[in-house]
Amino acid sequence: NAGVTQTPKFQVLKTGQSMTLQCAQDMNHEYMSWYRQDPGMGLRLIHYSVGAGITDQGEVPNGYNVSRSTTEDFPLRLLSAAPSQTSVYFCASSLWTAGTNVLTFGAGSRLTVL
Amino acid sequence: AQTVTQSQPEMSVQEAETVTLSCTYDTSESDYYLFWYKQPPSRQMILVIRQEAYKQQNATENRFSVNFQKAAKSFSLKISDSQLGDAAMYFCAYREAGGSEKLVFGKGTKLTVNP
Repeated sequence: NAGVTQTPKFQVLKTGQSMTLQCAQDMNHEYMSWYRQDPGMGLRLIHYSVGAGITDQGEVPNGYNVSRSTTEDFPLRLLSAAPSQTSVYFCASSLWTAGTNVLTFGAGSRLTVL
Repeated sequence: AQTVTQSQPEMSVQEAETVTLSCTYDTSESDYYLFWYKQPPSRQMILVIRQEAYKQQNATENRFSVNFQKAAKSFSLKISDSQLGDAAMYFCAYREAGGSEKLVFGKGTKLTVNP
């Protein structure tokens, strides 16, 4: 049981390049989400999904694209990277039921955009 | 929109002593959940403790306990018998009830434990 797996752990991009951060979970969780963590800002929600085929925007969605074709995977796409997207990105998942469900986080992906 | 405020960017404590981290939040909801997450240098986010707003009893998990004051919208974390491994960033987080899984985080408090 690997939990939530994020790849890559580190990535350096040039402005304007595109890339995809991968997130996979093996816990059959319906809910998945992406957060970004910037110094002094805490974590902020980018996009989330309550199940395959369903996605929605969070607090800071601009510049990012997501899709959810399977329960297991929730990739985050940067179509044209900007220096403002330099951050640490966390994927998280949980069961989609009301109550005190706890998010399980991945180990994070550090992205630098030059 | 809900907000979470951690007014202490940094705190320090001597090993074996007790320390309290502060958190306040703003919401118009009556039912919600509150969490404390720990982030050590490894970057992994680890749940420390959680509290349901409808429960008056403060949550405890071993050396970790909270002081939940609903009327004051305050949710502080107390760490007793501090250990070197407690050194980390601590984040307070809020989540609405009703099935929403969206967390709103505070900016964090960096805790240093001195030997």
